[in-house]
Amino acid sequence: KQEVTQIPAALSVPEGENLVLNCSFTDSAIYNLQWFRQDPGKGLTSLLLIQSSQREQTSGRLNASLDKSSGRSTLYIAASQPGDSATYLCAVNTGFQKLVFGTGTRLLVSP
Amino acid sequence: SAVISQKPSRDICQRGTSLTIQCQVDSQVTMMFWYRQQPGQSLTLIATANQGSEATYESGFVIDKFPISRPNLTFSTLTVSNMSPEDSSIYLCSVVRPTRSGETQYFGPGTRLLVL
Repeated sequence: KQEVTQIPAALSVPEGENLVLNCSFTDSAIYNLQWFRQDPGKGLTSLLLIQSSQREQTSGRLNASLDKSSGRSTLYIAASQPGDSATYLCAVNTGFQKLVFGTGTRLLVSP
Repeated sequence: SAVISQKPSRDICQRGTSLTIQCQVDSQVTMMFWYRQQPGQSLTLIATANQGSEATYESGFVIDKFPISRPNLTFSTLTVSNMSPEDSSIYLCSVVRPTRSGETQYFGPGTRLLVL
């Protein structure tokens, strides 16, 4: 059974710092991995999608990497801003577009 | 991206009653998914809804408790039946759309359910 873990569970940083969020999964047989952010009281916003054959994807200040063989992904946020404060979720596609979600990292960026 | 709406956005219900949640997508999709997010936890897939066939349920979820309808390619409903306080959760629907990166999943805003 696929299990997805995210470390740290919570993170508090001052504005401007670069930070790394970690995601690990137990079964490397995945089709892709997707990073989301969830704001309080709202749904999920898709940030980045990495196919299993890819090593990384970039969007603006966000960079996600994938090491499928070791079951790891990282989300790098450059020059963090207070607007980045949210819960970040990673999810692996185990087939038929079924997603298994991680436990989430709650990020707080202070001005 | 995809524009997904859900109704109701939130509700407070009495135990033993049922609630039907609607999910509307801005254009046709083959599969729609229903997820649950219990308080303080991450999302768990309930079922996959295909138009013209019965929904496929994940382990731990059954049709009698969570009946799903998929009358067309832009709409689905999830009913939470005979509710108990343990059903208090956020229920989200999602769809997949092709993007430059690949098949990307998009989520609705969620329905926040509190069962008393």
